Amino acid sequence: EDQVTQSPEALRLQEGESSSLNCSYTVSGLRGLFWYRQDPGKGPEFLFTLYSAGEEKEKERLKATLTKKESFLHITAPKPEDSATYLCAVQAIETSGSRLTFGEGTQLTVNP
Amino acid sequence: GAVVSQHPSRVICKSGTSVKIECRSLDFQATTMFWYRQFPKQSLMLMATSNEGSKATYEQGVEKDKFLINHASLTLSTLTVTSAHPEDSSFYICSAPPGTGGQETQYFGPGTRLLVL
Repeated sequence: EDQVTQSPEALRLQEGESSSLNCSYTVSGLRGLFWYRQDPGKGPEFLFTLYSAGEEKEKERLKATLTKKESFLHITAPKPEDSATYLCAVQAIETSGSRLTFGEGTQLTVNP
Repeated sequence: GAVVSQHPSRVICKSGTSVKIECRSLDFQATTMFWYRQFPKQSLMLMATSNEGSKATYEQGVEKDKFLINHASLTLSTLTVTSAHPEDSSFYICSAPPGTGGQETQYFGPGTRLLVL
């Protein structure tokens, strides 16, 4: 059974204080790992897709990396508007279609 | 990125009534759509996979007679909560991957907040 574990559950940062969120996963064969951002009362917003170990992707202050067991979402010099819940999900090779297994998320708060 | 819409965004209904939620892919066709529910401070739980032109596939523990799914076209899937009860109150979110299978990214709708009184 595919499993995704995110840590920490919650993270409070001061504006400009860089940090990383962790997503550990177990899957028989990884088709893709996805990062989403979710604001309260809204649907998840797509951030990144990573397909193979060693891959990295960047978008503004965010950088996602992938190994064979985990992914990190690095946040550099965060701003208050980066406050949100960040969700990690995996898609296994043997699953039909594009089914995703989600982690519980990390709730990030960036204080001004 | 691809755009997915949901309607309504919020709905309040009385216990025992049925509620229909629509999910539309606005700028792409989707042979498959997914329906999730999310309780406060929890992650997304997959309820069912909606397949255009065929029956939906439900996750274990999800009552197919209570949560009716219809995927009538390549851009529209509907979720009907039948005989709703207060415990059905939740945030319902749909998603769709452009394309027909493989390494597609799923794009999510804005969600529908259901409150059953």
